[in-house]
Amino acid sequence: DVQLVESGGGLVKPGGSLRLSCAASGFTFSSYSMNWVRQAPGKGLEWVSSITSHSNYIYYADSVKGRFTISRDNADNSLYLQMNSLRVEDTAIYYCARAPSPRILTGEMDVWGKGTTVTVSS
Amino acid sequence: SSELTQDPAVSVALGQTVRITCQGDSLRSFYVSWYQQKPGQAPLLVFYGKNNRPSGIPDRLSGSSSGNTASLTITGAQAEDEADYYCNSRDSSGSHVVFGGGTKLTVL
Repeated sequence: DVQLVESGGGLVKPGGSLRLSCAASGFTFSSYSMNWVRQAPGKGLEWVSSITSHSNYIYYADSVKGRFTISRDNADNSLYLQMNSLRVEDTAIYYCARAPSPRILTGEMDVWGKGTTVTVSS
Repeated sequence: SSELTQDPAVSVALGQTVRITCQGDSLRSFYVSWYQQKPGQAPLLVFYGKNNRPSGIPDRLSGSSSGNTASLTITGAQAEDEADYYCNSRDSSGSHVVFGGGTKLTVL
């Protein structure tokens, strides 16, 4: 089965750091662009970052640019999100999501993980 | 604020047809994708591109677009269609993805 499983969420103080991971299985990970999307409690979806299949192109939302870093390890079928200088407003469920093609920034995301919860609070 | 605008809430009688809309200037240049999200679940892609419905999505859900407005139409709404629906697309700058604020669909 095609599957994405996020991990690494937790409670962190403002200004702290976390590294999220997304383990992919059931498909050729290296053939697909990948995305991170978040959802604050009771709020809508917010795109965070995207990366092409071989990391040639990377994009970030303005709200996280300079603080978050997306990366991937195709040999390990894994996607990562390094989050630094965390703020209270970064509190959300973080989903990794696959783009259904190598193209990036289409907004198309056909496979989603169940998400990992990040809480930023003092 | 979102560059894609959706009505916050829409209701439809069981078995009737409902259209959920998404407006934004970027839709004149880029295709929209539609997602269904039920409470406590991850979003589910239900329609994307010019005319693409992922496998397993019932054909009573369909998408269309004209000018700066995209629509998701549910023909013969069922109780299981009650959910939040989000649109997304590339933004006007071309270097970001943007989501609409979401529409809560109630099936009466």
